[in-house]
Amino acid sequence: GNSVTQMEGPVTLSEEAFLTINCTYTATGYPSLFWYVQYPGEGLQLLLKATKADDKGSNKGFEATYRKETTSFHLEKGSVQVSDSAVYFCARTHAGGTSYGKLTFGQGTILTVHP
Amino acid sequence: DAEITQSPRHKITETGRQVTLACHQTWNHNNMFWYRQDLGHGLRLIHYSYGVQDTNKGEVSDGYSVSRSNTEDLPLTLESAASSQTSVYFCASSDGGTGANVLTFGAGSRLTVL
Repeated sequence: GNSVTQMEGPVTLSEEAFLTINCTYTATGYPSLFWYVQYPGEGLQLLLKATKADDKGSNKGFEATYRKETTSFHLEKGSVQVSDSAVYFCARTHAGGTSYGKLTFGQGTILTVHP
Repeated sequence: DAEITQSPRHKITETGRQVTLACHQTWNHNNMFWYRQDLGHGLRLIHYSYGVQDTNKGEVSDGYSVSRSNTEDLPLTLESAASSQTSVYFCASSDGGTGANVLTFGAGSRLTVL
């Protein structure tokens, strides 16, 4: 299958705390992996991506490493800010064939950062 | 600036009515998608199109249809709205080649079926 499992939220942190949001995927095919972020009242936007094993995606201080051996793509940030409060979605491409843009998303993790 | 716009942003309708959600993009992307977002389910693919006159069913296509008569537009039609179709609907588009899996999303359309 093409499933993606994210850690359940919501996650509440104080400003400057370390963030980890866990994501695991089914090991079908050779997917590309993504983290998308949704700020309040907006659509999703790409945060970072990785296309093959051991790749590290990074953007705005967030990082995630494609771990094939553990089928994981955990999102991390060393010091969160109030402006990082949003919903974070892990996603993978569908396996095989013409799967362009057909992503399977996790259920989303709500992050709230307090001053 | 290029953009992807959805309308209406909010709509309330009654069970059994036909509803059309519009999606218009000025990115000149060939690929367009409709997803629905429900609590606990993330986003699920409804329909998608890889070009003019091309449409395909996604994982939750029952009760929905799309048409692609030009590059810019992919309207989503609910033939006979049901309460189970109360959701937030997102349109997305992507380029070809290596950018095909990088989706650009609209701001969403919140539909309530009473």
